[in-house]
Order: sequence, then C-alpha cells, then structure tokens
Amino acid sequence: DAGITQSPRYKITETGRQVTLMCHQTWSHSYMFWYRQDLGHGLRLIYYSAAADITDKGEVPDGYVVSRSKTENFPLTLESATRSQTSVYFCASGALGNEQFFGPGTRLTVL
Amino acid sequence: GENVEQHPSTLSVQEGDSAVIKCTYSDSASNYFPWYKQELGKRPQLIIDIRSNVGEKKDQRIAVTLNKTAKHFSLHITETQPEDSAVYFCAAKAGGGADGLTFGKGTHLIIQP
Repeated sequence: DAGITQSPRYKITETGRQVTLMCHQTWSHSYMFWYRQDLGHGLRLIYYSAAADITDKGEVPDGYVVSRSKTENFPLTLESATRSQTSVYFCASGALGNEQFFGPGTRLTVL
Repeated sequence: GENVEQHPSTLSVQEGDSAVIKCTYSDSASNYFPWYKQELGKRPQLIIDIRSNVGEKKDQRIAVTLNKTAKHFSLHITETQPEDSAVYFCAAKAGGGADGLTFGKGTHLIIQP
C-alpha cells in the first residue's frame, strides 16, 4: 500500500479556484486512474491513463484535467472548482492483470 | 456503458453466520469482477476477484461466484467476524488493463455480536 501516495490528504478551497491533486506510485504500473467517491454514488471514474502521455475520459470528466508526463505521476486538476466537486478523490494504479490498487484518498471541500 | 447494481445496501448478520452480497452487470463484454472492502475513512482494499473464464473462487472465508449467462456475481463470507464489518463494493470491467472499473453503490455489512 505504501507504493501509491496522494497529496494533499485534506484540502479546503473556494469556488472558482484551481486545485491540483497529486498521485504518485512506485510500482511502475502502466495504468493509473482517478475516481471520486460520493455518498449515494459509490466510486465513479473520472479519468484514466494507459501510459505516459496517454489519457482518456471516464464517466464523470467534466471540470477536470489530467496529465501524465511521467509513468509514476498522475495529477488531477480542477480548473475552476465548484461545490459539486466536494468529494473524496482516490487515485489507483494497476498492471496488466486488471487489479487496481488504491491510494489513501484526498478529501476535498469546496466552499 | 456498463451499469452495476448491488444489493442489499445494508446487511446485518449475527457473528458466525454467513453473509451474501449480490451484483448484476449489464455489459456482456465485462470479463473482470473484483470486490473491495472499505473501512470508515480508509481506502478501498481489493479482497478477491474473478475473471469470466472461472465460475467460482475461494480464499479462506471469502468466495465469489459468477454466472455469466445471468450476468450476476456474488460475494460470500462465511463464519463472519467483527472485523468483517465494513462497506463492500463490487465492480466490473471490460477489456484490458486500460479500462476503469464500474462500481456498485456498496453494501454496508454490520456484524452483530
């Protein structure tokens, strides 16, 4: 579990501000994912990446931007935060075997 | 896209009894079905998974069954213990490693002493 980390763990921001959530993994996994978790909705996929410089949209991508310049990092940016983006954000990584392993999460509050 | 339904949303069982959580999926192309356990304030932890070429898989007190024809899969926990109390999520995925998981909405399992 120590192989995937997220920062910050807690963040409070205001509507309209840009926020970047960081994700770092040391397993050299090719695949990385961002999910958000909300009560009543479970976990929903925001974006995913198959390799450096390859990203694709998931179920709920609007308002988010990702990049993957290095295999080990997969930052998620909220370009102009809205209250509806208040959530717990989980990063995950995986290898070819389909298993996905989650980071500890970032709890984001948008005021 | 894929849709995963999970039941029940809350399950209360006596310690030592068995618990069963059921999920259905909609996309016949889905071929990987993991189960995650999430304790309060923690990350989801993969506890068991099954692929579409297998009908059942066991790991100590935990088992998962898959019925591809009916598009449903289930988690079975036997001899439940207090530490089994958590929220359990099923998920489904089609294709290779690049695709994300589609999750059910979770089952809150409560083990009564």
